[in-house]
Amino acid sequence: QKEVEQNSGPLSVPEGAIASLNCTYSDRGSQSFFWYRQYSGKSPELIMSIYSNGDKEDGRFTAQLNKASQYVSLLIRDSQPSDSATYLCAVVGGYSTLTFGKGTMLLVSP
Amino acid sequence: GAVVSQHPSRVICKSGTSVKIECRSLDFQATTMFWYRQFPKQSLMLMATSNEGSKATYEQGVEKDKFLINHASLTLSTLTVTSAHPEDSSFYICSAYDGTGSQPQHFGDGTRLSIL
Repeated sequence: QKEVEQNSGPLSVPEGAIASLNCTYSDRGSQSFFWYRQYSGKSPELIMSIYSNGDKEDGRFTAQLNKASQYVSLLIRDSQPSDSATYLCAVVGGYSTLTFGKGTMLLVSP
Repeated sequence: GAVVSQHPSRVICKSGTSVKIECRSLDFQATTMFWYRQFPKQSLMLMATSNEGSKATYEQGVEKDKFLINHASLTLSTLTVTSAHPEDSSFYICSAYDGTGSQPQHFGDGTRLSIL
């Protein structure tokens, strides 16, 4: 059974700092990885996708993938209070199914 | 583009009531739709995968007779929670796959179901 593991947090960072969120996955054959942001009471919102080893940057967000270590991370630079949310790591399986981690709660204090 | 509309957004009803939740893809055809359930402080758990015109595939531990899924068209899937009980209270979220690969799934806004 595919598993995606995340530290539940909360991860607390001051405004302007870098937030680092981590995720490991069990299926070595996984090829596609996603980070979603979920505000309380809302549905998930896709913020980053990554498919190849290395870094992928989009604005203040950088996703990092290391398939050998089965490790995915998300860095948020210049964190803002509006970034406070739960961040879900997800891995694509067969038939476009997604397996989600439990999520890491991020708290950015002003 | 790629908007998924889910209704209702919130339902409060008595125990024993059946509740239907609709999930519509507004600007694309969704050959596959997914239904998730999320309990407080937990992650999204896939309940079932539905393909247009065929029976849904349920995840292990999900009662197919209690959670009826119909995917009668390429733009509409429904989830009916039959004879709902307080333990069925949860946040139900649908998503749809547009087949292009730009995103794995497009999510609806979710339905907060509260059974009294």
